[in-house]
Amino acid sequence: RKEVEQDPGPFNVPEGATVAFNCTYSNSASQSFFWYRQDCRKEPKLLMSVYSSGNEDGRFTAQLNRASQYISLLIRDSKLSDSATYLCVVNTLYNFNKFYFGSGTKLNVKP
Amino acid sequence: SAVISQKPSRDICQRGTSLTIQCQVDSQVTMMFWYRQQPGQSLTLIATANQGSEATYESGFVIDKFPISRPNLTFSTLTVSNMSPEDSSIYLCSVQGRAGASNEQFFGPGTRLTVL
Repeated sequence: RKEVEQDPGPFNVPEGATVAFNCTYSNSASQSFFWYRQDCRKEPKLLMSVYSSGNEDGRFTAQLNRASQYISLLIRDSKLSDSATYLCVVNTLYNFNKFYFGSGTKLNVKP
Repeated sequence: SAVISQKPSRDICQRGTSLTIQCQVDSQVTMMFWYRQQPGQSLTLIATANQGSEATYESGFVIDKFPISRPNLTFSTLTVSNMSPEDSSIYLCSVQGRAGASNEQFFGPGTRLTVL
């Protein structure tokens, strides 16, 4: 079983829509959680860390559900510039700070 | 976030040759990593570059094929040895443990390698 699993998509949404991605992780000892954004032919860039209490950054909201071992990312009022692949990342401190990357969810925001 | 540079940004190489990729960070970091990302796929960790000691390799990656150096806290190299077309990929370095962002990883711009 993969450490981190994501729906690859693509999610095709119109501008202004609200879209949500989920990601599940297999290791209950996971400590830290992140969402990264990767544009085509570019490196991944940190979008936001995910805290136990949930956190919001502008149009982006991240939630963590430890009991069910999933994290979510909600994007409100989608912009064309939000089109990218969103990577779910989980960190387990027991293994030398290793990060596990999901395969990514592709989002296409259309005019 | 850390400023991370990689050289070269891209290269086209002949089968059987080797290429060394450099990663430079603008400040000292605790951890440096090397990843590979093949077309349409997610990132695969090759190894953790340890300062002053041998790198820690992930399953499926060996030192003879991917020798790594890390002479100090701001610099690392990855060599792709005896290349074959299957090594064509994007190679990314990342860093973790920078002041003010101790738990987050930041990536360099990547090196796009094509092996003919």
